[in-house]
Parts: sequence; C-alpha cells; structure tokens
Amino acid sequence: NAGVTQTPKFQVLKTGQSMTLQCAQDMNHNSMYWYRQDPGMGLRLIYYSASEGTTDKGEVPNGYNVSRLNKREFSLRLESAAPSQTSVYFCASSEAGNSPLHFGNGTRLTVT
Amino acid sequence: KNEVEQSPQNLTAQEGEFITINCSYSVGISALHWLQQHPGGGIVSLFMLSSGKKKHGRLIATINIQEKHSSLHITASHPRDSAVYICAVRSRGGADGLTFGKGTHLIIQP
Repeated sequence: NAGVTQTPKFQVLKTGQSMTLQCAQDMNHNSMYWYRQDPGMGLRLIYYSASEGTTDKGEVPNGYNVSRLNKREFSLRLESAAPSQTSVYFCASSEAGNSPLHFGNGTRLTVT
Repeated sequence: KNEVEQSPQNLTAQEGEFITINCSYSVGISALHWLQQHPGGGIVSLFMLSSGKKKHGRLIATINIQEKHSSLHITASHPRDSAVYICAVRSRGGADGLTFGKGTHLIIQP
C-alpha cells in the first residue's frame, strides 16, 4: 500500500521556468491538499480539494495552480517560478475534511 | 485566523525521561492533530482528538477545550523518538485545511 506518492523528490528551477508537482493517493480519499514548509514557519496550505472536481484556495495560493485530475491525483503547477517559491512541498490526503491526514514524502524545490 | 503556539521550540533530554510538549491555540476548534516529522522529512499523523485523552504505545495526547490547550507526552523516551513534533488545528466552522504550529524539535540523547 503506497499511501501518498509525490514526484519529484528534488527539483532545481531557474526563475521563470514552469513545472508540475505530481501527487497520487491510493486510499480512496476524498480530500487532498498541497502545503509548503519554510524554515521557522509552520506548514501553510496552498490549495485543497474537498472532492473530485473541486478545488479551493488556501492561505498562500498566489503563483500556483492546481488540478484534481481524478479522485487519486492532485497536481500543483508553478507557471513562472520565483525564488520566493523555494520551499519543501507536501501533498496530503484525508478521507474527509475532519479525518487524519496522510502525507507524501515531500518535494524539495529550489528556484535560482 | 487561529494562532497556534508550541512550547518549547527545542528540547534535549536523556533517554528514559518523561517528555511533555505543549500546544495552545486562540480560537475554538473542531479537532487537533499531533504530527511527527522525522529527520528525513516524512510527516506521520500521531493523533487526532477533539476531547479528552488518547494513548498509543508510549505516546499520550490530551486536550483541554476550555483552556484551548493540548499536550503530547512521551514516556520512557528513546533516541528514536528524536523528531520534530507538530501541532495542528482545524478551526470550528473554518474552511478546510489546518493551521500548523512551528513545531518542537526534540532530541533524545542515549
């Protein structure tokens, strides 16, 4: 049982480049989330999807877009990367909004 | 917006000691989560609770709703417990997603 799978694990981008972070879960969860983790700060919500076909902005959505491709997959896209987007990104899923979270292993992104 | 404060920020203890990590929040919640982040970066959910107390092995989590406070206790601590422990809350009536504390960095020395 893989749980939540994120790819890639590491990525280096130049300013202005684009990329998509992939996330898939095999637990048939309804809710999926993208968080970023920065030094000295708690995890912050970028976007979430309460169910297939819906997405909503979180606390720090600027510069990002998301797609809930199907119930399993929730991708995060950076259209034009900026150094301020250097961070560790975590995808998570839960059965419902008020259920325990399951996290992926994270993607360490550096934008130069 | 819910403000989540954890204390202490850093804690170093000897193997076998009883450990307490505290979490306080500012606004009523529907649930509180305790998470563990290993040195390799992976995050694991330890507890989700909305009242009372939960126990799993050597870990105990308690919550006092009236005082807006939760504690995570580790009994008979071991070096493998070394990790960052994160408190997160879901505000009552709030949008989906959690508000996270900054974490407590725990080191257990042999």
